[in-house]
Amino acid sequence: SAVISQKPSRDICQRGTSLTIQCQVDSQVTMMFWYRQQPGQSLTLIATANQGSEATYESGFVIDKFPISRPNLTFSTLTVSNMSPEDSSIYLCSVEEFSGGSEQYFGPGTRLTVT
Amino acid sequence: GEDVEQSLFLSVREGDSSVINCTYTDSSSTYLYWYKQEPGAGLQLLTYIFSNMDMKQDQRLTVLLNKKDKHLSLRIADTQTGDSAIYFCAESPNTDKLIFGTGTRLQVFP
Repeated sequence: SAVISQKPSRDICQRGTSLTIQCQVDSQVTMMFWYRQQPGQSLTLIATANQGSEATYESGFVIDKFPISRPNLTFSTLTVSNMSPEDSSIYLCSVEEFSGGSEQYFGPGTRLTVT
Repeated sequence: GEDVEQSLFLSVREGDSSVINCTYTDSSSTYLYWYKQEPGAGLQLLTYIFSNMDMKQDQRLTVLLNKKDKHLSLRIADTQTGDSAIYFCAESPNTDKLIFGTGTRLQVFP
């Protein structure tokens, strides 16, 4: 399976600032995804990022708040803009692989705390 | 709707079997997944089942799928303390997006 890394692993940020999270994969993948896991909650898909096209956002998430880049087949960034304490969450990227079936693997996550 | 439901907690004795249940709503899901999340860690894909299967076994893990009732279960045989974690089921109503359940916290006691 793909090996996925994220930077930073955690950060504490002040409200009103922005943070860019990086996701690096050790192989070329078509589909990359960004999820949010709020404290004590399940995971919610923010957007799907395909190389060469605009990210597709889920209901409740907008590009101005969560701009995404996907410059190549191994890398993506998610920016959390104009942060508020409600943005405190774990942000995870994932990739889809096909190995007999559709398998989605996750990075270790970025734990964000907004004060 | 796209609601995937799980019981919140399960407590079992070490060596016993654990059964974690999940109900989903989208009958078009092609695959159904089980993920494990240990404290402070990311998600680990444990296993998944194709929607045209009833059962899948992988070492200590057995997945049962009742498509008629939209019910998925994960059985862990000979549960160990290292199995203590949160377990998420997930459905895929299309080929990429995952809808996660609420998660079941499994606690294994000696």
